[in-house]
Amino acid sequence: GENVEQHPSTLSVQEGDSAVIKCTYSDSASNYFPWYKQELGKRPQLIIDIRSNVGEKKDQRIAVTLNKTAKHFSLHITETQPEDSAVYFCAAPSMGGSNYKLTFGKGTLLTVNP
Amino acid sequence: GAVVSQHPSWVICKSGTSVKIECRSLDFQATTMFWYRQFPKQSLMLMATSNEGSKATYEQGVEKDKFLINHASLTLSTLTVTSAHPEDSSFYICSARDRHVGAFFGQGTRLTVV
Repeated sequence: GENVEQHPSTLSVQEGDSAVIKCTYSDSASNYFPWYKQELGKRPQLIIDIRSNVGEKKDQRIAVTLNKTAKHFSLHITETQPEDSAVYFCAAPSMGGSNYKLTFGKGTLLTVNP
Repeated sequence: GAVVSQHPSWVICKSGTSVKIECRSLDFQATTMFWYRQFPKQSLMLMATSNEGSKATYEQGVEKDKFLINHASLTLSTLTVTSAHPEDSSFYICSARDRHVGAFFGQGTRLTVV
């Protein structure tokens, strides 16, 4: 099955700085990599995803990069704001079988200090 | 994105009783739904994969007789925690996969067994 490692587990930045969270995965057949943001007590929200046919995808202040050769992908948040504070999870699918289960990283607690 | 509705949002029950949690995909048909459990400050742990019209597939270590899953239609999956005990107290969250592999989460259910 898929193994997803996520680093760092906690990240504290000053408002306006950039934040980078990295994940590695083990299944070379994986072709879809979503990132989720979870605020305390709420559901994870999909914030950006990338498919393996591209190396980078951007949506305003959020970007994701993918290196399929090295099997890692990263979330980049620029010009961070206090409302970006949350737990961020990366995920990768297990491609065996037909269910495409998502395996999640352990999460990164991002704190943006005003 | 797709909408997944889960209820109840929270429930308190007595030890030994059973609790049913519903997960509905509101604007798409979900042949596959997933049930996760999340402990405080931890990642989402997949419990089982719910397949419409067939038996659920449970992850290793998850008791299928304790966590009953039924996926009777393309828009509804239910998780029943049978004979609940305090150690079953947790945040349970479902997700539904659309045909593009993206996973969307329900609001989650906070179960407290007293």
